Amino acid sequence: SQKIEQNSEALNIQEGKTATLTCNYTNYSPAYLQWYRQDPGRGPVFLLLIRENEKEKRKERLKVTFDTTLKQSLFHITASQPADSATYLCALPMDSNYQLIWGAGTKLIIKP
Amino acid sequence: ETGVTQSPTHLIKTRGQQVTLRCSSQSGHNTVSWYQQALGQGPQFIFQYYREEENGRGNFPPRFSGLQFPNYSSELNVNALELDDSALYLCASSADLYEQYFGPGTRLTVT
Repeated sequence: SQKIEQNSEALNIQEGKTATLTCNYTNYSPAYLQWYRQDPGRGPVFLLLIRENEKEKRKERLKVTFDTTLKQSLFHITASQPADSATYLCALPMDSNYQLIWGAGTKLIIKP
Repeated sequence: ETGVTQSPTHLIKTRGQQVTLRCSSQSGHNTVSWYQQALGQGPQFIFQYYREEENGRGNFPPRFSGLQFPNYSSELNVNALELDDSALYLCASSADLYEQYFGPGTRLTVT
């Protein structure tokens, strides 16, 4: 079955620097992959979706890459701010349907 | 446009009891998914409803059941509660099966 791996250790980044988070998956390459942000005690918030035929996608200070050969997606936040501190989750569809499986998330801490 | 709402916010139940959690979808969304999220883990897919029909189910026992109503609101029912059922329960609605909009969740504690 498909498994997703995200860095379990919290990532501490200095304000203004670029934060890079990793999402690795183990089996088949999904048709797309999503990134969400989750704040403590709240539901995840959708950030970006990248499809298998897209190498890179950007939204404001966010950039996502998708390497189907490496079975990896990278999530970048440029010019990071303390308000970017949260847990970031990647998710991808199960098999050929739209139901999602999720990584455990990486906690990002941006220090002033 | 109102977002996804869930009730109650918090709930404490005793092992063996039954619980019903409720979700009101975002306007115009005909698909709702339910997830269980343990502390420090990603959400685990329970099931999905599309236009009142179950559209897929994760690896959860039959004592987890659901309903979707004509107005696309939804319920998650859990019978015979176990201690391991303690978690944050999230519902998410979507219109296009890609971007999901999550509610704030219901924190269930089973003692």
